[in-house]
Amino acid sequence: GQQLNQSPQSMFIQEGEDVSMNCTSSSIFNTWLWYKQEPGEGPVLLIALYKAGELTSNGRLTAQFGITRKDSFLNISASIPSDVGIYFCAGQNQAGTALIFGKGTTLSVSS
Amino acid sequence: KAGVTQTPRYLIKTRGQQVTLSCSPISGHRSVSWYQQTPGQGLQFLFEYFSETQRNKGNFPGRFSGRQFSNSRSEMNVSTLELGDSALYLCASSRDFSGTGELFFGEGSRLTVL
Repeated sequence: GQQLNQSPQSMFIQEGEDVSMNCTSSSIFNTWLWYKQEPGEGPVLLIALYKAGELTSNGRLTAQFGITRKDSFLNISASIPSDVGIYFCAGQNQAGTALIFGKGTTLSVSS
Repeated sequence: KAGVTQTPRYLIKTRGQQVTLSCSPISGHRSVSWYQQTPGQGLQFLFEYFSETQRNKGNFPGRFSGRQFSNSRSEMNVSTLELGDSALYLCASSRDFSGTGELFFGEGSRLTVL
């Protein structure tokens, strides 16, 4: 079945650093989404992207929908301790189909 | 506005038993999806229900089943439990059927199979 390759698998950074993670697929997607999961919680939607080339920000977070429609990246600027968690990319290849999730990037931030 | 509610939050079962998990979606949301989360496989899609009908199904054996009631609440059942079924089971709701991909997740039901 379809798979999303998310990298890196984990990151250990200092507070204040910028972070970049990405997600690639061999298939085209019409929607890319980024979720964050904190311990003991379910994933929470951060950013949704619906158009190739779209660049969207949510506070210190910026995500882009790749022009080929096969990739997306998420940047976090000036990281803070509460950014700790697992970040998942998710793709949907057409309306009415289930979301496919990447395996996540675990972010650790030291102060 | 109340979020997605899943019960029970934790449960322990033994091999061969069955289990039923419950999910109450956000008020007004008519679609409910279920995912299995494990450290090795990440989030794997189980199924999606909309208007009491299963609309999408993932690649899981028939031991995994679900249903949705007229009030949009959903249950999933796993029969003849195996050790590998130990996982966090997440329910997510959305207003419509797989429209935008924007899902609202519950906190999950953590199942341990001994």
